[in-house]
Amino acid sequence: EAQVTQNPRYLITVTGKKLTVTCSQNMNHEYMSWYRQDPGLGLRQIYYSMNVEVTDKGDVPEGYKVSRKEKRNFPLILESPSPNQTSLYFCASSPKQSYEQYFGPGTRLTVT
Amino acid sequence: AQKVTQAQTEISVVEKEDVTLDCVYETRDTTYYLFWYKQPPSGELVFLIRRNSFDEQNEISGRYSWNFQKSTSSFNFTITASQVVDSAVYFCALSTNTGNQFYFGTGTSLTVIP
Repeated sequence: EAQVTQNPRYLITVTGKKLTVTCSQNMNHEYMSWYRQDPGLGLRQIYYSMNVEVTDKGDVPEGYKVSRKEKRNFPLILESPSPNQTSLYFCASSPKQSYEQYFGPGTRLTVT
Repeated sequence: AQKVTQAQTEISVVEKEDVTLDCVYETRDTTYYLFWYKQPPSGELVFLIRRNSFDEQNEISGRYSWNFQKSTSSFNFTITASQVVDSAVYFCALSTNTGNQFYFGTGTSLTVIP
């Protein structure tokens, strides 16, 4: 089954404790992306990747890191999480940037 | 700069009414792509439609229809004879060939009352 998976689905952590949210797709898509969803703000793009080893900032990259060492994986790293990073995070992939994106189920992160 | 505006934050309709969700976009690019996504209460994001800037034909898919008008930079979505299962948050989005980013609107929360 074609899908985008994210882990974990729910995470509660404390300020400053490094964490990684994994994202994997099995559709051989070139374009992958991370978003955060906050009430009243819609989805905002954090980082995106056009292909392996090619990543770039979206609108809200501060406090986040990504890497794309393999085509299928695009982890999101929070080196020192802060409470303002409490949000619902979605990973997505698409064949190319101009095509519709397939979204993962979301990861709800709470930073206390 | 690219931007998507969904001015309607929340809409409530009674079942079987028609409803139109507005989407206005801003871009200086001549080649761009517009999308609609649905987010039901369960939380997943479901792709509904993709349109490129060279195709202004309106599209109909069952009870759903989309009106793309470049002259007003709008890409509106109409649900005919709404049903309770249409209750969701709907997002309009834009991507362009220069910049590689996706831009989402803030979403419209639709409630269909039985």
